Amino acid sequence: DQQVKQNSPSLSVQEGRISILNCDYTNSMFDYFLWYKKYPAEGPTFLISISSIKDKNEDGRFTVFLNKSAKHLSLHIVPSQPGDSAVYFCAASANNDMRFGAGTRLTVKP
Amino acid sequence: KAGVTQTPRYLIKTRGQQVTLSCSPISGHRSVSWYQQTPGQGLQFLFEYFSETQRNKGNFPGRFSGRQFSNSRSEMNVSTLELGDSALYLCASGRTGRNTEAFFGQGTRLTVV
Repeated sequence: DQQVKQNSPSLSVQEGRISILNCDYTNSMFDYFLWYKKYPAEGPTFLISISSIKDKNEDGRFTVFLNKSAKHLSLHIVPSQPGDSAVYFCAASANNDMRFGAGTRLTVKP
Repeated sequence: KAGVTQTPRYLIKTRGQQVTLSCSPISGHRSVSWYQQTPGQGLQFLFEYFSETQRNKGNFPGRFSGRQFSNSRSEMNVSTLELGDSALYLCASGRTGRNTEAFFGQGTRLTVV
């Protein structure tokens, strides 16, 4: 049962432009949401998170938006840099149970 | 502070065999979760342990089992290996597991032939 879905397997953007990665979830019990970034041959690394009591959290070039009514969250990266090229995983957590999406491969072209 | 350590990094096993993977969490972390990563499937949740107790379990067959020791180190066992078990197995540790980010190891790449 895929409770967290990332429907775009890949995304390509030009350096300097905005990257928008999307994520949908089905379980209304999720109360904490996270984004992870993964490079080849490495484990995922934490990027940014948001609690369900907020609708936006910003950290430098990264902003996460949460729309609870739509059960949707998104990660905005602006401006995008070639070093941002990686696989991005969305995760949602409820009661110590964290579930991940399938990932979106972001390619930022110079 | 040492990160999450998974051993071995690579493993090749034959169908029908069993395998044990090990994970040492970050010092002070009591929550350990295991995930299977396959192409196109993302990270599939296997189970989560906290203070030697399994708190959550994903939708995997009983061939997949785990345990956690008093020092928070965790092992995952897969019995009667199938070709479809070939994957990257990732372990993640956290302080409490609830509403905190998880820190991942580099994973164990299991190939079943």
